[in-house]
Amino acid sequence: GNSVTQMEGPVTLSEEAFLTINCTYTATGYPSLFWYVQYPGEGLQLLLKATKADDKGSNKGFEATYRKETTSFHLEKGSVQVSDSAVYFCALSEDDYKLSFGAGTTVTVRA
Amino acid sequence: DAGVIQSPRHEVTEMGQEVTLRCKPISGHNSLFWYRQTMMRGLELLIYFNNNVPIDDSGMPEDRFSAKMPNASFSTLKIQPSEPRDSAVYFCASSYQGLNYGYTFGSGTRLTVV
Repeated sequence: GNSVTQMEGPVTLSEEAFLTINCTYTATGYPSLFWYVQYPGEGLQLLLKATKADDKGSNKGFEATYRKETTSFHLEKGSVQVSDSAVYFCALSEDDYKLSFGAGTTVTVRA
Repeated sequence: DAGVIQSPRHEVTEMGQEVTLRCKPISGHNSLFWYRQTMMRGLELLIYFNNNVPIDDSGMPEDRFSAKMPNASFSTLKIQPSEPRDSAVYFCASSYQGLNYGYTFGSGTRLTVV
């Protein structure tokens, strides 16, 4: 079946540090891959997505590249801000409607 | 656009009571999803509606859970009778034409069953 594995948190960083959150997946076909972000007390929001191999999704300074050879979709940001403190979820979909989420990674950015 | 609206935001109930969670999707969205979030199991898809019709309810835990979507602008998730292990945050999400534009999630209902 499909599954997503994320690096365990929590991750604590200082402002302007580089952030990487690892995500690997298992799928039977060629899934679409997503990163969602959840701010405290809110629902999840789509951060970025990629639908095929070598696609790069980007938004708000975050980037992730769909790597079929390593079955990975790692999230990166070059310089984090306090406002980036949130829980980040990697997810995949093989059928265009059902999302399978990873466990989530809590990121805290200190001023 | 008011987004996906869920009510109530918080619900505390006693074991054995009936609980009804409500969701208003974004106007024009034709797919609606109910998810449950717990520390132990993360985010689980409970049920998915397309054009008001339940398409996949394989994630509904057991017969105590039921969901309806009587029209395009309203859905309910009911738990009867509720149990402490049902305590979780329940999210409703809607989308237009599948995942092309991603889901839009509501802010969730935090359910506590004591």
